[in-house]
Amino acid sequence: LAKTTQPISMDSYEGQEVNITCSHNNIATNDYITWYQQFPSQGPRFIIQGYKTKVTNEVASLFIPADRKSSTLSLPRVSLSDTAVYYCLVGSSGSARQLTFGSGTQLTVLP
Amino acid sequence: DAGVTQSPTHLIKTRGQQVTLRCSPKSGHDTVSWYQQALGQGPQFIFQYYEEEERQRGNFPDRFSGHQFPNYSSELNVNALLLGDSALYLCASTRYGTSGNSGTQYFGPGTRLLVL
Repeated sequence: LAKTTQPISMDSYEGQEVNITCSHNNIATNDYITWYQQFPSQGPRFIIQGYKTKVTNEVASLFIPADRKSSTLSLPRVSLSDTAVYYCLVGSSGSARQLTFGSGTQLTVLP
Repeated sequence: DAGVTQSPTHLIKTRGQQVTLRCSPKSGHDTVSWYQQALGQGPQFIFQYYEEEERQRGNFPDRFSGHQFPNYSSELNVNALLLGDSALYLCASTRYGTSGNSGTQYFGPGTRLLVL
């Protein structure tokens, strides 16, 4: 299973754009990159998933360079409610896969 | 449309006891996975159930067992509880055989277990 590396923590201010980078040097050809968000005492929530280039939804954008050895989750204009732990996962896109979580990145949005 | 639900929300047990946690998957989902999340760490995969059978298992001892019912709901049983079993237990559901965004696993709010 591909291992991921993320910063342990990040601080930002309301209204700023936040970029969280994840390294996954051993990503396999058929692996997808998925990001989850987790608030305290809640289950993780799916944010975005991608394979290459750029993916955008109503919540975030995911940038994946050509070599796919890293990816960047971009959160536009964060608010206090975006304070959470963000996890980067790498693996197949199939529903049956077991999700392998690392320690995640604690994002704290300050007023 | 109800999402994934879990019960109870909180539970306190003593060492050596047994516990049963319950999960109802999101409507339309037939596959349930269980995860253990210790404080300050990411969730760790315990096992996955589909068609009432355990399909995959993570690195957890046999004290952890499960069951899936015909209505796709699931139970997680932990025997001979240890202090180290204290954690947030998460259930996630999905629809078997799907992939991409359709194969997304949806998590419940979890059950907080404290073993004294």
